[in-house]
Amino acid sequence: QKEVEQDPGPLSVPEGAIVSLNCTYSNSAFQYFMWYRQYSRKGPELLMYTYSSGNKEDGRFTAQVDKSSKYISLFIRDSQPSDSATYLCASYTGRRALTFGSGTRLQVQP
Amino acid sequence: GAGVSQSPSNKVTEKGKDVELRCDPISGHTALYWYRQSLGQGLEFLIYFQGNSAPDKSGLPSDRFSAERTGGSVSTLTIQRTQQEDSAVYLCASSVGTGNGAEAFFGQGTRLTVV
Repeated sequence: QKEVEQDPGPLSVPEGAIVSLNCTYSNSAFQYFMWYRQYSRKGPELLMYTYSSGNKEDGRFTAQVDKSSKYISLFIRDSQPSDSATYLCASYTGRRALTFGSGTRLQVQP
Repeated sequence: GAGVSQSPSNKVTEKGKDVELRCDPISGHTALYWYRQSLGQGLEFLIYFQGNSAPDKSGLPSDRFSAERTGGSVSTLTIQRTQQEDSAVYLCASSVGTGNGAEAFFGQGTRLTVV
């Protein structure tokens, strides 16, 4: 079992929809939870990170962590075609390296 | 430069040859990570450096893979006797320090193709 599990999709939504992307993790030592966006043939770009449980909002993006259920979510409001990319969740203990999910490919249809 | 720089962007090599991939991290970042991304897959951890500490090599898939970091800055990932299964995008990231690893910034990657 991978430490961070993510549905690979693809997920296709119409422009303007609310998108929900999710991951689960198994390592209780994870304290930081990140979301990266990766466009085709580009490196991953950090969108936001959350420490421990709770919500964090940045513009149209909201990250949510529930440590009791080991569940990580990213919500995208008013989705745009430019949001079409692969979204990678990652978790981190505060030491060593980040552990990534396999990524969810999102397509926002105009 | 402003971001993590990797070179070359693309590398095609013959099976059995050695390759060297370079990463120039963000200035002042003491932590440096190497990951591998196979087609359509997530990121597989390879190795990480933190300051002058011994590197964490636990993700290296075989002894054909090695990496070094000179002067706490530039890092080189070397793959000896390349195999076709080594074909992937090799990504480098850096962060201010271990405790700040949550804010790790990636380069554009080196796309390695072994023919």
